[in-house]
Amino acid sequence: SQQGEEDPQALSIQEGENATMNCSYKTSINNLQWYRQNSGRGLVHLILIRSNEREKHSGRLRVTLDTSKKSSSLLITASRAADTASYFCAGGYQKVTFGIGTKLQVIP
Amino acid sequence: GAVVSQHPSRVICKSGTSVKIECRSLDFQATTMFWYRQFPKQSLMLMATSNEGSKATYEQGVEKDKFLINHASLTLSTLTVTSAHPEDSSFYICSARKDTSELFQETQYFGPGTRLLVL
Repeated sequence: SQQGEEDPQALSIQEGENATMNCSYKTSINNLQWYRQNSGRGLVHLILIRSNEREKHSGRLRVTLDTSKKSSSLLITASRAADTASYFCAGGYQKVTFGIGTKLQVIP
Repeated sequence: GAVVSQHPSRVICKSGTSVKIECRSLDFQATTMFWYRQFPKQSLMLMATSNEGSKATYEQGVEKDKFLINHASLTLSTLTVTSAHPEDSSFYICSARKDTSELFQETQYFGPGTRLLVL
């Protein structure tokens, strides 16, 4: 089963610009997490936001959570070429399932 | 930090053979572990939830006799792909949920993945 959808599914921006990715989820969640995955590699945990939180920051990352709309957004500011990767949101209560992901390309 | 290892990282096998993949939480206890499968350019699909000391819970469409899961200790879960076929070729990722009593802080830590190629 899939948790939800990320929007957009693909995003191409210039280095230095901000990238915003959205995620909608279906089930109840304990917390929501964002991960990145470079092509053919494992997952890297970026940030966790608890269900009773609305916004969280970590370095160049900003995550929001709207439990009434069952949606979250990930903002990467001042993007770099090294940010090129696929980004997934994941959440759940007893088990965590993933969205379909956003493929981000940052052009130098 | 919490570390999860997987072994092997990469395996090539002949069609019809069985392959075992290990998932270990190295510095924490995990009553619950999860197995995911990822096909190229797709997202991670949850296959099953593995609970220490009890039978695994499989997601709809996942054959329990094909993908045998054993969670014999609080730090080790194994996935055995039995009678593997080329269509089982995929990237298998495990995760371990760190046991905690802190509200909303349950989080899963992911292993680096195992790439299986069945010839």
